[in-house]
Formats: sequence, C-alpha cells, structure tokens
Amino acid sequence: EDQVTQSPEALRLQEGESSSLNCSYTVSGLRGLFWYRQDPGKGPEFLFTLYSAGEEKEKERLKATLTKKESFLHITAPKPEDSATYLCAVQASDDYKLSFGAGTTVTVRA
Amino acid sequence: GAVVSQHPSRVICKSGTSVKIECRSLDFQATTMFWYRQFPKQSLMLMATSNEGSKATYEQGVEKDKFLINHASLTLSTLTVTSAHPEDSSFYICSAYRRNQPQHFGDGTRLSIL
Repeated sequence: EDQVTQSPEALRLQEGESSSLNCSYTVSGLRGLFWYRQDPGKGPEFLFTLYSAGEEKEKERLKATLTKKESFLHITAPKPEDSATYLCAVQASDDYKLSFGAGTTVTVRA
Repeated sequence: GAVVSQHPSRVICKSGTSVKIECRSLDFQATTMFWYRQFPKQSLMLMATSNEGSKATYEQGVEKDKFLINHASLTLSTLTVTSAHPEDSSFYICSAYRRNQPQHFGDGTRLSIL
C-alpha cells in the first residue's frame, strides 16, 4: 500500500524566513509526485509534478525537489500570502489514483 | 490552469434529506473524475472513482447506496448523498483527470446535516 508522510504538521515562519517541508513516500513504482496548495475552505490548487529522482521544479518562491524516498518543498523568503496547507501526493505507476499525505500547514507572519 | 467548478459550495439541510453535488470540468474533457471527503485538519480521503459512461468504483468502506455517483458526460459528474445524517457532514471535493495530466480540483462543498 502506498504511504505518504509529511512533516512537520505545522510550520510558523516570520516573513522572509526560508524553510523546507518534507514528504516521505513509499510506492510500488512512482508515476509522479504532486504538490498542491490548499487554502481554508477551498479545494487543492496544483503546484508541481515531479517524475524522477533528481528532478526540480520552481514557481516564484517555491521549489520542489525529488529523491527516491522523499520530496522537499522549499519556500524561499516567504510572504504572508504563502500561508496555506501544502499537500503532497503520489501516483503509482500502475494506477491513476492519488495517495495524499496529511499536509503541512504553513503560517507566515508579517 | 484547468478549471473545475463544484456546486453548491455549501449546503445545510435536515437529517433524511438527499443532497446532490455537481462537479464540472469547464475547459477540458475529463476521462475520470474523483470524489474525496475531507475532515477538519485531515487530508483528502478518496471515496470513489468515476469514469464517463460506466459505474463508479468505490473505495473500501464507502457505501455505494449512500453515495450515488453519476458520470453522464466527459465534463459532468454528480455525487448524491442519500438520506443524509449528521455523520455525513463533511467537506466533499471532486477532481477531474485526464491521462498524463495532474488532477484538478473543485473548490469543495461543505455539507452540514442538522
């Protein structure tokens, strides 16, 4: 069974204080690892897909990286608008369903 | 990015009522739509997978007679919560998917059963 573990559960940052979120996974053959952002009362918003170890993707202050066992989401010089819950999900090579982690809730104080 | 519209955004109704939630893929044809349930401060739990023109596939522990799914076209799937009770209160989210693309999610429906 696919497993996704995210840490920490919650992260409080000062504006401008860079940090990283971790997503550890076990899957029977990885088709893709996905990062989503979810604001309160909203559905998840797609951020990145990573397909193979060593791959990196960037978008504004966010950068996602992937190894064979985990993925990191780096937030560089965060702003209050980066406050959200960040979800990691994996898709196995023999399936199209996603298995989600519990998420990391990031709060950025001005 | 892709747009998925989910309606209604919030429903409050009495116990025993049936509630229908619509999920529309507005700018692409989705071969598959997924229905999730999310409890406060928890992640998304997949309830069922819906393919256009065929019966939905339900995850273990999800009652198919309680949660009726219809996928009439490549852009529309509906979830009907039948004879809803307070324990069915939750945040329901749909997503639309086509091969080699990420799932795109609706904004969810907050269901409150009194």
